[in-house]
Amino acid sequence: QQQVKQSPQSLIVQKGGISIINCAYENTAFDYFPWYQQFPGKGPALLIAIRPDVSEKKEGRFTISFNKSAKQFSLHIMDSQPGDSATYFCAARMTTDSWGKFQFGAGTQVVVTP
Amino acid sequence: EPEVTQTPSHQVTQMGQEVILRCVPISNHLYFYWYRQILGQKVEFLVSFYNNEISEKSEIFDDQFSVERPDGSNFTLKIRSTKLEDSAMYFCASNPGPYNEQFFGPGTRLTVL
Repeated sequence: QQQVKQSPQSLIVQKGGISIINCAYENTAFDYFPWYQQFPGKGPALLIAIRPDVSEKKEGRFTISFNKSAKQFSLHIMDSQPGDSATYFCAARMTTDSWGKFQFGAGTQVVVTP
Repeated sequence: EPEVTQTPSHQVTQMGQEVILRCVPISNHLYFYWYRQILGQKVEFLVSFYNNEISEKSEIFDDQFSVERPDGSNFTLKIRSTKLEDSAMYFCASNPGPYNEQFFGPGTRLTVL
Protein backbone atom coordinates (compact mmCIF):
# COMPACT_ATOMS: atom_id res chain seq x y z
CA GLN A 1 0.00 0.00 0.00
CA GLN A 2 1.54 3.23 -1.18
CA GLN A 3 0.59 5.67 1.55
CA VAL A 4 2.45 8.67 0.12
CA LYS A 5 2.54 9.25 -3.63
CA GLN A 6 5.06 11.71 -5.03
CA SER A 7 5.35 13.26 -8.46
CA PRO A 8 7.09 13.92 -10.74
CA GLN A 9 9.92 11.37 -10.67
CA SER A 10 12.32 13.90 -12.10
CA LEU A 11 12.35 17.56 -12.92
CA ILE A 12 14.64 19.80 -14.92
CA VAL A 13 14.36 23.51 -14.29
CA GLN A 14 16.41 26.49 -15.40
CA LYS A 15 18.27 28.61 -12.90
CA GLY A 16 15.90 31.18 -11.49
CA GLY A 17 12.84 29.09 -12.25
CA ILE A 18 10.33 27.50 -9.89
CA SER A 19 10.49 23.80 -9.01
CA ILE A 20 7.23 22.24 -7.87
CA ILE A 21 6.97 18.77 -6.39
CA ASN A 22 3.67 17.25 -5.34
CA CYS A 23 2.70 14.63 -2.79
CA ALA A 24 -0.60 13.01 -1.95
CA TYR A 25 -1.36 10.92 1.09
CA GLU A 26 -4.09 8.47 1.99
CA ASN A 27 -4.06 8.20 5.76
CA THR A 28 -5.94 11.09 7.39
CA ALA A 29 -4.21 10.30 10.68
CA PHE A 30 -0.95 11.72 9.31
CA ASP A 31 -0.23 15.02 11.02
CA TYR A 32 3.35 15.90 10.25
CA PHE A 33 4.67 16.36 6.73
CA PRO A 34 8.39 16.99 6.20
CA TRP A 35 10.37 17.39 3.04
CA TYR A 36 13.85 15.91 2.92
CA GLN A 37 16.68 16.90 0.59
CA GLN A 38 19.28 14.33 -0.38
CA PHE A 39 22.55 14.98 -2.17
CA PRO A 40 24.50 12.12 -3.79
CA GLY A 41 26.40 10.12 -1.19
CA LYS A 42 24.56 11.74 1.70
CA GLY A 43 21.58 10.76 3.79
CA PRO A 44 18.28 12.66 3.57
CA ALA A 45 18.31 15.94 5.51
CA LEU A 46 15.24 17.76 6.76
CA LEU A 47 14.49 20.78 4.59
CA ILE A 48 11.13 22.07 5.79
CA ALA A 49 8.07 20.59 7.47
CA ILE A 50 4.42 21.46 8.03
CA ARG A 51 1.55 20.41 10.24
CA PRO A 52 -2.05 20.36 8.95
CA ASP A 53 -3.18 23.32 11.03
CA VAL A 54 -1.57 25.69 8.51
CA SER A 55 -1.97 25.87 4.75
CA GLU A 56 1.45 27.25 3.91
CA LYS A 57 4.90 27.48 5.40
CA LYS A 58 7.79 29.40 3.93
CA GLU A 59 11.48 29.22 4.78
CA GLY A 60 13.65 31.27 2.50
CA ARG A 61 13.16 30.08 -1.07
CA PHE A 62 11.31 26.94 0.03
CA THR A 63 7.55 26.86 0.56
CA ILE A 64 5.21 24.04 1.50
CA SER A 65 1.59 24.36 0.44
CA PHE A 66 -0.83 22.09 2.24
CA ASN A 67 -4.38 21.17 1.20
CA LYS A 68 -5.96 19.11 3.95
CA SER A 69 -9.26 18.45 2.16
CA ALA A 70 -7.45 17.17 -0.93
CA LYS A 71 -4.87 15.32 1.17
CA GLN A 72 -2.09 16.90 -0.84
CA PHE A 73 0.98 18.94 -0.13
CA SER A 74 3.63 20.39 -2.35
CA LEU A 75 7.13 21.85 -2.21
CA HIS A 76 7.90 24.98 -4.17
CA ILE A 77 11.50 26.00 -4.71
CA MET A 78 11.58 29.61 -5.83
CA ASP A 79 14.51 31.09 -7.75
CA SER A 80 15.98 27.60 -8.20
CA GLN A 81 19.77 27.45 -8.08
CA PRO A 82 22.20 24.80 -9.36
CA GLY A 83 23.01 24.02 -5.72
CA ASP A 84 19.39 22.90 -5.29
CA SER A 85 20.04 19.97 -7.62
CA ALA A 86 19.25 16.98 -5.40
CA THR A 87 16.64 14.35 -4.73
CA TYR A 88 13.67 15.53 -2.70
CA PHE A 89 11.48 13.23 -0.63
CA CYS A 90 8.17 14.05 0.95
CA ALA A 91 7.20 12.10 4.04
CA ALA A 92 4.38 11.76 6.52
CA ARG A 93 4.06 10.66 10.10
CA MET A 94 1.33 10.16 12.69
CA THR A 95 1.74 11.61 16.17
CA THR A 96 -0.20 8.61 17.41
CA ASP A 97 2.59 6.44 16.04
CA SER A 98 4.56 6.18 19.25
CA TRP A 99 7.79 5.36 17.56
CA GLY A 100 7.81 8.14 15.03
CA LYS A 101 8.40 6.22 11.83
CA PHE A 102 8.00 8.02 8.52
CA GLN A 103 6.23 6.95 5.34
CA PHE A 104 8.24 8.34 2.42
CA GLY A 105 7.34 9.25 -1.11
CA ALA A 106 9.32 7.80 -3.99
CA GLY A 107 11.51 10.86 -4.43
CA THR A 108 11.96 13.50 -7.12
CA GLN A 109 15.30 14.14 -8.74
CA VAL A 110 15.63 17.85 -9.41
CA VAL A 111 18.23 19.17 -11.81
CA VAL A 112 18.72 22.91 -12.04
CA THR A 113 20.53 23.93 -15.21
CA PRO A 114 22.74 27.02 -15.27
CA GLU B 1 27.75 19.72 14.02
CA PRO B 2 27.00 16.20 15.26
CA GLU B 3 26.00 13.71 12.59
CA VAL B 4 25.02 10.10 12.17
CA THR B 5 27.79 8.02 10.65
CA GLN B 6 27.54 4.67 8.90
CA THR B 7 30.10 2.08 7.87
CA PRO B 8 30.91 0.72 5.43
CA SER B 9 29.78 3.05 2.68
CA HIS B 10 29.54 0.10 0.26
CA GLN B 11 29.34 -3.59 1.05
CA VAL B 12 29.46 -6.32 -1.58
CA THR B 13 28.54 -9.82 -0.50
CA GLN B 14 27.61 -13.19 -1.90
CA MET B 15 24.05 -14.47 -1.61
CA GLY B 16 23.60 -16.45 1.59
CA GLN B 17 26.31 -14.61 3.49
CA GLU B 18 25.76 -12.64 6.68
CA VAL B 19 26.38 -8.90 6.72
CA ILE B 20 26.49 -6.40 9.54
CA LEU B 21 25.85 -2.75 8.81
CA ARG B 22 27.08 -0.32 11.40
CA CYS B 23 25.77 3.03 12.53
CA VAL B 24 26.89 5.51 15.14
CA PRO B 25 23.87 7.66 16.06
CA ILE B 26 24.17 11.15 17.49
CA SER B 27 25.34 10.76 21.07
CA ASN B 28 22.39 12.14 23.04
CA HIS B 29 19.73 10.53 20.85
CA LEU B 30 17.52 7.81 22.27
CA TYR B 31 15.50 6.57 19.28
CA PHE B 32 17.11 4.73 16.42
CA TYR B 33 15.80 3.62 13.07
CA TRP B 34 16.80 1.65 10.02
CA TYR B 35 15.34 2.40 6.62
CA ARG B 36 16.18 0.98 3.24
CA GLN B 37 15.92 2.27 -0.29
CA ILE B 38 15.98 -0.11 -3.23
CA LEU B 39 17.47 1.62 -6.26
CA GLY B 40 14.90 3.88 -7.86
CA GLN B 41 12.29 3.23 -5.20
CA LYS B 42 11.11 5.02 -2.09
CA VAL B 43 12.73 4.98 1.33
CA GLU B 44 11.05 2.25 3.42
CA PHE B 45 10.92 1.89 7.19
CA LEU B 46 12.47 -1.29 8.56
CA VAL B 47 12.66 -1.01 12.33
CA SER B 48 12.73 1.36 15.27
CA PHE B 49 14.69 0.76 18.45
CA TYR B 50 14.37 2.34 21.86
CA ASN B 51 15.57 1.43 25.33
CA ASN B 52 17.58 -1.51 24.00
CA GLU B 53 14.70 -3.21 22.31
CA ILE B 54 12.79 -3.17 19.06
CA SER B 55 9.81 -0.86 19.38
CA GLU B 56 8.32 -1.43 15.96
CA LYS B 57 9.19 -3.31 12.80
CA SER B 58 7.76 -3.45 9.31
CA GLU B 59 6.75 -6.53 7.37
CA ILE B 60 10.06 -6.27 5.53
CA PHE B 61 11.94 -6.89 8.79
CA ASP B 62 11.61 -10.66 8.89
CA ASP B 63 13.57 -13.26 10.81
CA GLN B 64 16.69 -12.79 8.72
CA PHE B 65 17.09 -9.26 10.11
CA SER B 66 18.20 -8.29 13.59
CA VAL B 67 19.34 -5.11 15.29
CA GLU B 68 21.57 -4.56 18.23
CA ARG B 69 23.12 -1.80 20.25
CA PRO B 70 26.20 -3.68 21.42
CA ASP B 71 27.69 -0.73 23.30
CA GLY B 72 26.83 2.86 24.11
CA SER B 73 27.58 4.17 20.65
CA ASN B 74 27.02 1.62 17.89
CA PHE B 75 23.71 0.49 16.40
CA THR B 76 23.92 -2.44 14.02
CA LEU B 77 21.70 -4.11 11.47
CA LYS B 78 22.48 -7.75 10.75
CA ILE B 79 21.17 -9.64 7.77
CA ARG B 80 21.72 -13.33 8.45
CA SER B 81 21.49 -14.87 5.00
CA THR B 82 21.44 -12.24 2.30
CA LYS B 83 19.24 -12.52 -0.77
CA LEU B 84 19.58 -10.76 -4.09
CA GLU B 85 16.57 -8.62 -3.22
CA ASP B 86 18.34 -7.27 -0.14
CA SER B 87 20.49 -5.15 -2.45
CA ALA B 88 19.63 -1.60 -1.46
CA MET B 89 20.85 1.51 0.30
CA TYR B 90 20.38 1.16 4.04
CA PHE B 91 19.96 4.32 6.11
CA CYS B 92 20.30 4.65 9.85
CA ALA B 93 18.54 7.52 11.59
CA SER B 94 18.27 8.79 15.13
CA ASN B 95 16.47 11.44 17.15
CA PRO B 96 16.23 12.51 20.78
CA GLY B 97 12.50 11.82 20.89
CA PRO B 98 10.00 10.17 18.53
CA TYR B 99 8.48 13.46 17.43
CA ASN B 100 11.74 15.29 16.84
CA GLU B 101 13.52 15.63 13.54
CA GLN B 102 15.17 12.39 12.44
CA PHE B 103 18.81 12.74 11.45
CA PHE B 104 19.90 10.35 8.74
CA GLY B 105 23.29 8.87 8.10
CA PRO B 106 24.85 8.80 4.61
CA GLY B 107 23.78 5.22 4.05
CA THR B 108 25.45 1.90 3.27
CA ARG B 109 25.01 0.57 -0.23
CA LEU B 110 24.61 -3.21 0.00
CA THR B 111 25.13 -5.23 -3.15
CA VAL B 112 24.27 -8.92 -3.01
CA LEU B 113 25.70 -11.00 -5.87
